Amino acid sequence: EDQVTQSPEALRLQEGESSSLNCSYTVSGLRGLFWYRQDPGKGPEFLFTLYSAGEEKEKERLKATLTKKESFLHITAPKPEDSATYLCAVQAGTTGFQKLVFGTGTRLLVSP
Amino acid sequence: GAVVSQHPSRVICKSGTSVKIECRSLDFQATTMFWYRQFPKQSLMLMATSNEGSKATYEQGVEKDKFLINHASLTLSTLTVTSAHPEDSSFYICSVRPLMNTEAFFGQGTRLTVV
Repeated sequence: EDQVTQSPEALRLQEGESSSLNCSYTVSGLRGLFWYRQDPGKGPEFLFTLYSAGEEKEKERLKATLTKKESFLHITAPKPEDSATYLCAVQAGTTGFQKLVFGTGTRLLVSP
Repeated sequence: GAVVSQHPSRVICKSGTSVKIECRSLDFQATTMFWYRQFPKQSLMLMATSNEGSKATYEQGVEKDKFLINHASLTLSTLTVTSAHPEDSSFYICSVRPLMNTEAFFGQGTRLTVV
């Protein structure tokens, strides 16, 4: 069964204090790994897609990396507006619209 | 990315009544849409895959007679929670994926409270 585990469950940072969020996955045939940001009471907002080990994507203060077993979301010099829950999802399988399996997320709080 | 509009954003209903949630794909024609449910501090769980012009595909454990899905056009899918009970209170979110094996785009979500 495909599984996604995110850690830590919650993370509190001071503004400017860089850190990383972890997403470990177990799937049979990874077809894509996705990072989302979710604000309270809102739907997830797409951040990155990673397809193969070694791939990296960057957007402003965020950088996502992928290995064969896990992905990291690095946050450099975070600001209070980066506070949100960050979700990781994986897709396995080879045919059709395979479903996304989500982790439970990391709740990030950045204090000024 | 794709723009998805979901309505209503919040709804409160009495136990035993039915509630309809709409999901619209605003900038492309979606033959497939997805409905998720999210309980507090839990991950998004796929409930069903909505297919335009055919029956929806439900995930294991999701009652198809309770959660009625209609995908009547390429831009609109609806989820009706029938005979709602307090345990159906949750955050319901729809999504679209413009291409297979690519990212999903989500609506704003609907907070359902059954009293």
